[in-house]
Amino acid sequence: QTVVTQEPSFSVSPGGTVTLTCGLSSGSVSTNYYPSWYQQTPGQAPRTLIYSTNTRSSGVPDRFSGSILGNKAALTITGAQADDESDYYCVLYLGGGSWVFGGGTKLTVL
Amino acid sequence: QVQLVESGGGVVQPGRSLRLSCAASGFTFSTYGFHWVRQAPGKGLEWVAVIWYDGSNKYYADSVKGRFTISRDDSKNTLFLQMNSLRADDTAVYYCARDSGYQLLQWGQGTLVTVSS
Repeated sequence: QTVVTQEPSFSVSPGGTVTLTCGLSSGSVSTNYYPSWYQQTPGQAPRTLIYSTNTRSSGVPDRFSGSILGNKAALTITGAQADDESDYYCVLYLGGGSWVFGGGTKLTVL
Repeated sequence: QVQLVESGGGVVQPGRSLRLSCAASGFTFSTYGFHWVRQAPGKGLEWVAVIWYDGSNKYYADSVKGRFTISRDDSKNTLFLQMNSLRADDTAVYYCARDSGYQLLQWGQGTLVTVSS
């Protein structure tokens, strides 16, 4: 069974840059997996940040960017702000009508 | 604007059934596929099921296969999730999401299902 991996937690200083990653238990992530990224704060629905690897959803600040770094999908936050403190999830389309979410990364801004 | 509103959640005993609905507005419902995604308390997101825009294909996570059924009523702009043989580990907030090119782009606010005796 394929597992999508994310860092459980990450910390960044205000104004700093952080890169969160989304990998596969076996194999490399490519654009063919249609990686997407979501931000979620407690009690709220997920908010789409990035889709199709690197396309920002409407209204998402340009300090959020997506890419493929090595064998993983990546979400980079440049100039982190206090309200970026959230849980971040990626999801990959594995084909054959199957999607798998990563376990999520809890980002702390301090 | 795009709006997805889930309903039908509640408290249900183990082994019983529940049907969730997701009412859509602000776009042409019949031209999109839809997903159900759930989140157990304090846990991460779990993909549950998808239905193609024309209803021709339906796929499920292994954890719900054979127990849950996704369906749609284009005349009512509504997506459904029929959940049978519910278990305690089905307790979660259930979200519907609109698909666009194999990606979950727009989400509802969710409905809570609690399976408990």
